[in-house]
Amino acid sequence: GNSVTQMEGPVTLSEEAFLTINCTYTATGYPSLFWYVQYPGEGLQLLLKATKADDKGSNKGFEATYRKETTSFHLEKGSVQVSDSAVYFCALSDRDSGGSNYKLTFGKGTLLTVNP
Amino acid sequence: GAVVSQHPSRVICKSGTSVKIECRSLDFQATTMFWYRQFPKKSLMLMATSNEGSKATYEQGVEKDKFLINHASLTLSTLTVTSAHPEDSSFYICSARYGPYGYTFGSGTRLTVV
Repeated sequence: GNSVTQMEGPVTLSEEAFLTINCTYTATGYPSLFWYVQYPGEGLQLLLKATKADDKGSNKGFEATYRKETTSFHLEKGSVQVSDSAVYFCALSDRDSGGSNYKLTFGKGTLLTVNP
Repeated sequence: GAVVSQHPSRVICKSGTSVKIECRSLDFQATTMFWYRQFPKKSLMLMATSNEGSKATYEQGVEKDKFLINHASLTLSTLTVTSAHPEDSSFYICSARYGPYGYTFGSGTRLTVV
Protein backbone atom coordinates (compact mmCIF):
# COMPACT_ATOMS: atom_id res chain seq x y z
CA GLY A 1 0.00 0.00 0.00
CA ASN A 2 0.89 3.67 -0.12
CA SER A 3 2.66 5.35 2.77
CA VAL A 4 4.38 8.61 3.67
CA THR A 5 7.12 8.96 6.25
CA GLN A 6 8.17 12.39 7.47
CA MET A 7 10.29 13.57 10.34
CA GLU A 8 7.94 14.04 13.25
CA GLY A 9 9.75 16.76 15.11
CA PRO A 10 8.94 19.00 16.80
CA VAL A 11 11.34 21.31 15.03
CA THR A 12 12.32 24.55 16.74
CA LEU A 13 14.28 27.17 14.85
CA SER A 14 15.31 30.76 15.24
CA GLU A 15 14.02 33.34 12.78
CA GLU A 16 15.98 33.38 9.50
CA ALA A 17 17.29 29.86 10.00
CA PHE A 18 17.27 27.27 7.21
CA LEU A 19 14.50 24.69 7.29
CA THR A 20 14.44 21.13 6.02
CA ILE A 21 11.64 18.68 6.73
CA ASN A 22 12.32 15.26 5.27
CA CYS A 23 9.62 13.26 3.53
CA THR A 24 9.85 9.89 1.80
CA TYR A 25 7.08 7.86 0.27
CA THR A 26 6.09 4.43 -0.91
CA ALA A 27 3.56 4.12 -3.71
CA THR A 28 2.47 1.47 -6.12
CA GLY A 29 1.72 3.85 -8.98
CA TYR A 30 2.86 7.30 -10.05
CA PRO A 31 1.69 9.57 -7.29
CA SER A 32 1.38 13.30 -7.05
CA LEU A 33 3.09 14.77 -4.01
CA PHE A 34 1.98 17.59 -1.74
CA TRP A 35 2.93 19.66 1.25
CA TYR A 36 0.09 21.03 3.34
CA VAL A 37 0.29 23.48 6.24
CA GLN A 38 -2.07 23.64 9.21
CA TYR A 39 -2.24 26.64 11.51
CA PRO A 40 -3.69 26.12 15.02
CA GLY A 41 -7.41 25.40 15.02
CA GLU A 42 -7.69 25.50 11.25
CA GLY A 43 -7.99 23.11 8.34
CA LEU A 44 -5.23 22.32 5.90
CA GLN A 45 -3.95 24.67 3.24
CA LEU A 46 -2.03 23.55 0.20
CA LEU A 47 1.51 24.85 0.37
CA LEU A 48 2.93 23.32 -2.80
CA LYS A 49 2.67 20.30 -5.03
CA ALA A 50 4.49 18.34 -7.72
CA THR A 51 2.81 15.97 -10.11
CA LYS A 52 5.71 14.17 -11.77
CA ALA A 53 9.33 13.24 -11.24
CA ASP A 54 11.83 16.14 -11.15
CA ASP A 55 9.06 18.71 -10.77
CA LYS A 56 9.80 21.41 -8.20
CA GLY A 57 6.91 22.86 -6.26
CA SER A 58 7.39 26.28 -4.69
CA ASN A 59 5.35 28.81 -2.77
CA LYS A 60 6.02 31.54 -0.18
CA GLY A 61 9.73 30.74 -0.18
CA PHE A 62 9.18 27.02 0.40
CA GLU A 63 10.42 24.49 -2.14
CA ALA A 64 10.29 20.74 -2.63
CA THR A 65 11.52 18.59 -5.52
CA TYR A 66 9.92 15.31 -6.54
CA ARG A 67 12.80 12.81 -6.51
CA LYS A 68 11.69 9.49 -7.91
CA GLU A 69 15.10 7.85 -7.53
CA THR A 70 15.11 8.45 -3.78
CA THR A 71 11.28 8.49 -3.41
CA SER A 72 11.57 11.77 -1.56
CA PHE A 73 9.90 15.18 -1.44
CA HIS A 74 11.81 17.14 1.19
CA LEU A 75 10.52 20.59 2.15
CA GLU A 76 13.02 23.45 2.38
CA LYS A 77 13.01 27.15 3.11
CA GLY A 78 16.07 29.32 3.22
CA SER A 79 14.96 31.75 5.91
CA VAL A 80 12.02 30.98 8.16
CA GLN A 81 9.82 33.54 9.86
CA VAL A 82 7.82 33.45 13.08
CA SER A 83 4.66 33.34 10.95
CA ASP A 84 5.79 30.00 9.48
CA SER A 85 5.11 28.31 12.81
CA ALA A 86 2.57 25.58 12.03
CA VAL A 87 2.20 21.87 11.42
CA TYR A 88 3.41 20.66 8.02
CA PHE A 89 2.07 17.53 6.36
CA CYS A 90 3.60 15.66 3.46
CA ALA A 91 1.08 13.73 1.38
CA LEU A 92 0.71 11.71 -1.78
CA SER A 93 -2.24 11.17 -4.06
CA ASP A 94 -2.64 7.87 -5.80
CA ARG A 95 -5.35 5.37 -6.56
CA ASP A 96 -6.59 3.42 -3.57
CA SER A 97 -6.16 -0.32 -3.26
CA GLY A 98 -9.37 -0.89 -5.19
CA GLY A 99 -8.01 1.11 -8.07
CA SER A 100 -11.12 3.20 -8.48
CA ASN A 101 -10.58 6.30 -6.37
CA TYR A 102 -7.77 8.73 -5.85
CA LYS A 103 -7.15 9.67 -2.26
CA LEU A 104 -4.54 11.39 -0.14
CA THR A 105 -2.19 9.53 2.15
CA PHE A 106 -0.63 11.75 4.82
CA GLY A 107 2.52 11.66 6.86
CA LYS A 108 2.17 12.19 10.59
CA GLY A 109 2.92 15.89 10.46
CA THR A 110 5.82 18.00 11.72
CA LEU A 111 5.30 20.80 14.21
CA LEU A 112 7.52 23.77 13.39
CA THR A 113 8.06 26.52 15.92
CA VAL A 114 10.04 29.58 14.89
CA ASN A 115 11.26 31.84 17.66
CA PRO A 116 12.04 35.54 17.20
CA GLY B 1 -11.29 29.07 -6.50
CA ALA B 2 -12.04 25.57 -5.18
CA VAL B 3 -13.29 26.65 -1.78
CA VAL B 4 -14.91 24.30 0.70
CA SER B 5 -16.99 25.69 3.54
CA GLN B 6 -17.42 23.58 6.66
CA HIS B 7 -19.92 24.27 9.43
CA PRO B 8 -20.10 24.51 12.33
CA SER B 9 -16.56 25.37 13.35
CA ARG B 10 -17.24 24.38 16.93
CA VAL B 11 -20.00 22.37 18.55
CA ILE B 12 -20.62 21.14 22.06
CA CYS B 13 -23.25 18.48 22.54
CA LYS B 14 -24.51 16.25 25.29
CA SER B 15 -23.63 12.59 25.38
CA GLY B 16 -26.20 10.51 23.51
CA THR B 17 -27.27 13.21 21.08
CA SER B 18 -26.46 13.43 17.37
CA VAL B 19 -24.49 16.13 15.61
CA LYS B 20 -24.42 17.00 11.92
CA ILE B 21 -21.44 18.62 10.22
CA GLU B 22 -21.83 20.14 6.76
CA CYS B 23 -19.27 20.49 4.03
CA ARG B 24 -20.13 22.60 0.97
CA SER B 25 -18.14 23.23 -2.17
CA LEU B 26 -18.77 26.89 -3.00
CA ASP B 27 -17.44 27.36 -6.50
CA PHE B 28 -17.07 23.91 -8.00
CA GLN B 29 -18.83 20.58 -8.15
CA ALA B 30 -17.33 18.02 -5.84
CA THR B 31 -18.04 14.50 -7.01
CA THR B 32 -15.75 13.08 -4.34
CA MET B 33 -15.43 14.29 -0.76
CA PHE B 34 -13.43 12.93 2.14
CA TRP B 35 -13.94 13.04 5.87
CA TYR B 36 -10.99 13.02 8.27
CA ARG B 37 -10.63 12.87 11.99
CA GLN B 38 -7.65 14.45 13.67
CA PHE B 39 -6.55 13.60 17.19
CA PRO B 40 -4.37 16.00 19.22
CA LYS B 41 -0.80 16.06 17.93
CA LYS B 42 -1.67 13.34 15.46
CA SER B 43 -2.05 13.12 11.76
CA LEU B 44 -5.31 12.98 9.90
CA MET B 45 -7.16 9.71 9.86
CA LEU B 46 -9.28 9.18 6.78
CA MET B 47 -12.70 8.04 7.90
CA ALA B 48 -14.54 7.69 4.62
CA THR B 49 -14.75 8.69 0.99
CA SER B 50 -18.09 9.82 -0.36
CA ASN B 51 -19.08 9.97 -3.99
CA GLU B 52 -22.12 11.95 -5.00
CA GLY B 53 -25.19 9.81 -5.31
CA SER B 54 -23.69 6.63 -3.91
CA LYS B 55 -22.89 5.12 -0.56
CA ALA B 56 -19.76 6.23 1.23
CA THR B 57 -16.75 3.96 1.42
CA TYR B 58 -15.57 3.67 5.01
CA GLU B 59 -12.04 2.94 6.09
CA GLN B 60 -11.36 -0.13 8.15
CA GLY B 61 -12.28 0.31 11.78
CA VAL B 62 -14.69 3.22 11.23
CA GLU B 63 -18.24 2.49 12.41
CA LYS B 64 -20.52 3.33 9.53
CA ASP B 65 -23.60 3.29 11.74
CA LYS B 66 -22.07 5.83 14.08
CA PHE B 67 -20.62 8.15 11.46
CA LEU B 68 -23.31 8.61 8.84
CA ILE B 69 -22.19 10.26 5.63
CA ASN B 70 -24.53 11.65 3.02
CA HIS B 71 -23.42 13.12 -0.29
CA ALA B 72 -26.74 13.86 -1.91
CA SER B 73 -25.62 16.66 -4.19
CA LEU B 74 -22.51 17.79 -6.02
CA THR B 75 -21.98 20.61 -3.55
CA LEU B 76 -22.90 19.14 -0.17
CA SER B 77 -21.70 16.30 1.98
CA THR B 78 -22.71 15.81 5.60
CA LEU B 79 -21.25 13.81 8.46
CA THR B 80 -23.61 12.92 11.30
CA VAL B 81 -22.13 11.62 14.51
CA THR B 82 -24.93 9.58 16.04
CA SER B 83 -25.35 8.93 19.75
CA ALA B 84 -22.17 10.86 20.44
CA HIS B 85 -19.99 9.98 23.40
CA PRO B 86 -17.01 11.79 24.93
CA GLU B 87 -14.59 9.56 23.03
CA ASP B 88 -16.01 10.99 19.79
CA SER B 89 -14.68 14.41 20.76
CA SER B 90 -12.19 15.38 18.09
CA PHE B 91 -11.40 17.70 15.20
CA TYR B 92 -13.21 16.66 12.02
CA ILE B 93 -12.10 17.95 8.63
CA CYS B 94 -13.73 17.52 5.25
CA SER B 95 -11.97 17.66 1.92
CA ALA B 96 -13.05 17.70 -1.69
CA ARG B 97 -11.21 16.67 -4.79
CA TYR B 98 -11.14 19.03 -7.74
CA GLY B 99 -9.37 18.59 -11.03
CA PRO B 100 -6.79 15.85 -11.55
CA TYR B 101 -4.41 16.88 -8.75
CA GLY B 102 -6.29 19.15 -6.41
CA TYR B 103 -7.67 18.65 -2.93
CA THR B 104 -9.15 21.45 -0.89
CA PHE B 105 -10.01 21.33 2.78
CA GLY B 106 -12.64 22.78 5.04
CA SER B 107 -11.61 24.73 8.10
CA GLY B 108 -12.57 21.91 10.43
CA THR B 109 -15.10 21.30 13.19
CA ARG B 110 -14.13 20.96 16.83
CA LEU B 111 -16.61 18.55 18.41
CA THR B 112 -16.79 18.33 22.18
CA VAL B 113 -19.16 15.79 23.73
CA VAL B 114 -19.95 16.40 27.39
